[in-house]
Amino acid sequence: GNSVTQMEGPVTLSEEAFLTINCTYTATGYPSLFWYVQYPGEGLQLLLKATKADDKGSNKGFEATYRKETTSFHLEKGSVQVSDSAVYFCALSDTARRSGGSYIPTFGRGTSLIVHP
Amino acid sequence: SQTIHQWPATLVQPVGSPLSLECTVEGTSNPNLYWYRQAAGRGLQLLFYSVGIGQISSEVPQNLSASRPQDRQFILSSKKLLLSDSGFYLCAWRTHFGQGNSGANVLTFGAGSRLTVL
Repeated sequence: GNSVTQMEGPVTLSEEAFLTINCTYTATGYPSLFWYVQYPGEGLQLLLKATKADDKGSNKGFEATYRKETTSFHLEKGSVQVSDSAVYFCALSDTARRSGGSYIPTFGRGTSLIVHP
Repeated sequence: SQTIHQWPATLVQPVGSPLSLECTVEGTSNPNLYWYRQAAGRGLQLLFYSVGIGQISSEVPQNLSASRPQDRQFILSSKKLLLSDSGFYLCAWRTHFGQGNSGANVLTFGAGSRLTVL
């Protein structure tokens, strides 16, 4: 079955530091890969996505590259801000439907990021 | 525009009481809908999903049930709450972007409902 593994958190950084949150996956076929962000007390929001190998997703200064050879989709940002403090979820979605007829994405456990001024 | 609403936003309930959480989507038709639970300090647990009116698939056996009485309404219920039902409940609907192999299935989440069972 599909699985997503994220680095354990929390990740604690000072403002303007470089961020990397590792994500690796196991899937059959050619899944799409995602990063979602959850700010305190809110639901998840799509941060970025990549649909095929070597694609780079980017948004709000965050980037992640779909690496098929290493089955990875690491999230990076060159200079974090206090407002980036949140929980980040890596996820994948393949083209297979469940028996009930819907697509079910697979989420990692989430990585908490804390940015200090 | 397409939006998703959840209510109530916060709920404190005694053990053994009933529960009803509601999720409504606007601006789309026949959406695939999902209920997730997020326990404190833990990841997302898929509870139920629905591909249409009256069609519910359960992912884990538990004290909860779901119903879809209308196309854009998804309800999470319990007859008797347990302490372990406490958590942050998230509703989501699925959007497909793009076409063919370059397409992707993306979930859009509501703001969540925080349930505390005492």
